[in-house]
This record gives sequence, structure tokens and C-alpha cells, in this order.
Amino acid sequence: AQTVTQSQPEMSVQEAETVTLSCTYDTSENNYYLFWYKQPPSRQMILVIRQEAYKQQNATENRFSVNFQKAAKSFSLKISDSQLGDTAMYFCASTTNFGNEKLTFGTGTRLTIIP
Amino acid sequence: ETGVTQSPTHLIKTRGQQVTLRCSSQSGHNTVSWYQQALGQGPQFIFQYYREEENGRGNFPPRFSGLQFPNYSSELNVNALELDDSALYLCASSSPDRAVGNTIYFGEGSWLTVV
Repeated sequence: AQTVTQSQPEMSVQEAETVTLSCTYDTSENNYYLFWYKQPPSRQMILVIRQEAYKQQNATENRFSVNFQKAAKSFSLKISDSQLGDTAMYFCASTTNFGNEKLTFGTGTRLTIIP
Repeated sequence: ETGVTQSPTHLIKTRGQQVTLRCSSQSGHNTVSWYQQALGQGPQFIFQYYREEENGRGNFPPRFSGLQFPNYSSELNVNALELDDSALYLCASSSPDRAVGNTIYFGEGSWLTVV
């Protein structure tokens, strides 16, 4: 069974600053996939970034990057040059079978960007 | 927009009643998963359908059931509604075909309130 833990229920940061959201996970599988999803007030889950566990290089998508520490089972999200539109709930999620996904989600971090 | 549509967007039911929620998947996606997201929580996996067959189930009682149709759209049925069934129900579509890109797309969800 997989578990995903997000220990920061809420965070806030000034616009244009950098913020890091934490996530730890536990799995007995060797091959798995990790995701960060954004859920704005519209409630639709939007994929921010994904990481394949077999890839050592950290994933990057524009202002979003991850710090994937496989031995520590840690998967943090860094948002650079934060924007007001980044205000949302952020969920960390994992799955062991990409393409037949059954995602396990954390409890989320509510991020507020302050003007 | 992801191309995953869910209906209805909001509904109110009385305890003991039955409800059917519907989902149309992203074009080219043959896998549909359903998640329950209680207020302030992360989504919890209910079950998944692949090519019209149930392909995995989370920790939900049998009164949660589903269907997938030949066009890959899906229904979630909940019988004997309980107050704790009040939640946002999310549908996600994906494809195990790596040519499709292995991306999970979520709909905007159906808000169910049980009174």
C-alpha cells in the first residue's frame, strides 16, 4: 500500500517570492510515479508536474520544479516567482502503474500568494 | 479545459436515496477512475473501469457501484445514501497506451450534498 503525507496544511508567501511545498511518501514498489496537482476554487485538478521514480533528474516545468530524494522518499515542489494565480490547494500524489493509474493523494497544502 | 465532463455539477439528495453521476472521458482515453473528495481532504480512490470492466477498487462499500459504456463514458451509482457521502466526486480519464501520453485528466467534479 502507498501512503502520501503533506505536513503543511497552509502556507502563504509574497508575490514574486519562492515557496517550497513538502511531501513524503511510502511505497514498497521499485517503480512508481509522483505528481503534484493544483486545485483552484473551480475544484478541477490540474497537473502541475510529474516525476518517474526511475529518473534521477528532477522534473521541471517553467516556474515549477521538484526536489526528488528517492532514498528519503521525499518529493517537494518549488514554485519560483510566485504569482497570484498560483493561489490554490496543492496535492501530492503517487501511483505505481502509469497508464492504469490509481492515485493515492496527500491531504493537501493550501497556498496563498499575497499581493 | 481537459475534455472530461461531469454531470450534474451540483445536487442535493436525501439520506436513503440513490444517485447517479456521469462522466465523459477525454477523447482516446479508455480508462476512467472515480474519486471521492470530502471537504478539506484529498481525493480517495473509489474504483476504476478499463474497457467496460472494473479494474480495481478502493475501500468503499458495495453500495458504490459503476458502469463503463462502449464509448468509455462512465457512471457512478451510490445507493442508500448516507450523510457522510456528501463530497465532491471527481472523474479522471487516462489511457495505458503510451502513444496517448499517459496523462490523467480530471473533470470539474460533481458536488453531492446528502441531507
